[in-house]
Amino acid sequence: GAVVSQHPSRVICKSGTSVKIECRSLDFQATTMFWYRQFPKQSLMLMATSNEGSKATYEQGVEKDKFLINHASLTLSTLTVTSAHPEDSSFYICSARAPVGNTIYFGEGSWLTVV
Amino acid sequence: AQSVAQPEDQVNVAEGNPLTVKCTYSVSGNPYLFWYVQYPNRGLQFLLKYITGDNLVKGSYGFEAEFNKSQTSFHLKKPSALVSDSALYFCAVSSPDMNRDDKIIFGKGTRLHILP
Repeated sequence: GAVVSQHPSRVICKSGTSVKIECRSLDFQATTMFWYRQFPKQSLMLMATSNEGSKATYEQGVEKDKFLINHASLTLSTLTVTSAHPEDSSFYICSARAPVGNTIYFGEGSWLTVV
Repeated sequence: AQSVAQPEDQVNVAEGNPLTVKCTYSVSGNPYLFWYVQYPNRGLQFLLKYITGDNLVKGSYGFEAEFNKSQTSFHLKKPSALVSDSALYFCAVSSPDMNRDDKIIFGKGTRLHILP
């Protein structure tokens, strides 16, 4: 079946630094990928929609200059958390829409801890 | 406005009994409906979907869901629960008629506890 890979699964960074999370669709080309944030025991909050070859579309309230999204190819989207703060600590999940069947597949998620 | 409701925060079921996790939706146009499962500290796994056709959809791990257009529901069911089914379940909806194409909306999730 379709697989979406997310890396790293866990990362710890210092306040003020930037960290990049990668999302790859391994066996299909994804023109659209999505980035979510999940707080403990809560549902997923859509942060942005990443479209290959164009700028990402951010949800209301999400700082585009802080959460940089780049969808450079049909199989790779990256989320860069810039100038990270402890409140950015969270579980970040990406997903990709398969071209056939309209199913969205999710990565395993990335735990970000900012110290 | 489009929305998905999972009215139960938690569902407890004894192992071997049938289980139901409820989901209702509100969306303009024809809905695409999904169920996902999330195990602790993991991403979401796709279980099943309804796009068109037969209202009863069968998915992974013995789960099934029935699309009911008149009740705008898409409840997740399994005839005989396993302890390993204990997880967080998300219902989701998207529609080609949404203003923002490709957007998918999630319910808040229902935690399923299967009691041995």
